[in-house]
Amino acid sequence: EVQLVESGGGLVQPGGSLRLSCAASGFIFSDHYMDWVRQAPGKGLEWVGRIRKKGNSYTTEYAASVKGRFTISRDDSESSLCLQMNYLKTDDTAVYYCATVLSNQWLGYWGQGTLVTVSS
Amino acid sequence: DIQMTQSPYSVSASVGDRVTITCRASQGISSWLAWYQQKPGKVPKLLIYAASSLKSGVPSRFSGSGSGTDFTLTISSLQPEDFATYYCQQASRYPVTFGGGTKVEIK
Repeated sequence: EVQLVESGGGLVQPGGSLRLSCAASGFIFSDHYMDWVRQAPGKGLEWVGRIRKKGNSYTTEYAASVKGRFTISRDDSESSLCLQMNYLKTDDTAVYYCATVLSNQWLGYWGQGTLVTVSS
Repeated sequence: DIQMTQSPYSVSASVGDRVTITCRASQGISSWLAWYQQKPGKVPKLLIYAASSLKSGVPSRFSGSGSGTDFTLTISSLQPEDFATYYCQQASRYPVTFGGGTKVEIK
């Protein structure tokens, strides 16, 4: 059974940093691209970014709203995914989901999410 | 960026009704489109990918169609467990973008 478990969310002040983690199990993590998607309270889904697999040099893509502030990384030996968030803004307040990317295109499985609140 | 516009914003329907949701892309995306279902307080779930391919385990009352810029998600006979918000997503170009969502409510 595919399992994705996010952690690391919490309350942080504007301008601060936070590191989210996603622990994966039940599938061959290293074979898949991985995404982060967020959802502000009461709002729709917003794609944050993607990291490709080793065969694609672990390259990354980001939404314009987070580019230069957020960094996605992965550790295939640990089947884990990370999202380093710096210079956080109040607009970054959201539930953050990690998701597997099936066939390099579709968000096949999602974690339960972790809430990040940016507030003074 | 490719903008994804869903309509209607919400739809009120009864069990057994046929429901159709549309998604329009601001530029052609071939068949690079997926549909997701999100129930209140729950995680989004992939229903359809490549515009019309049903994910394994998803009931056959769900179907998708379209290509280019115009797409539809159809629920042929609405069931109580189908009341949720539905999102389209394009995978043609980065950044990946989602539609704003369509809420299917009980009439």
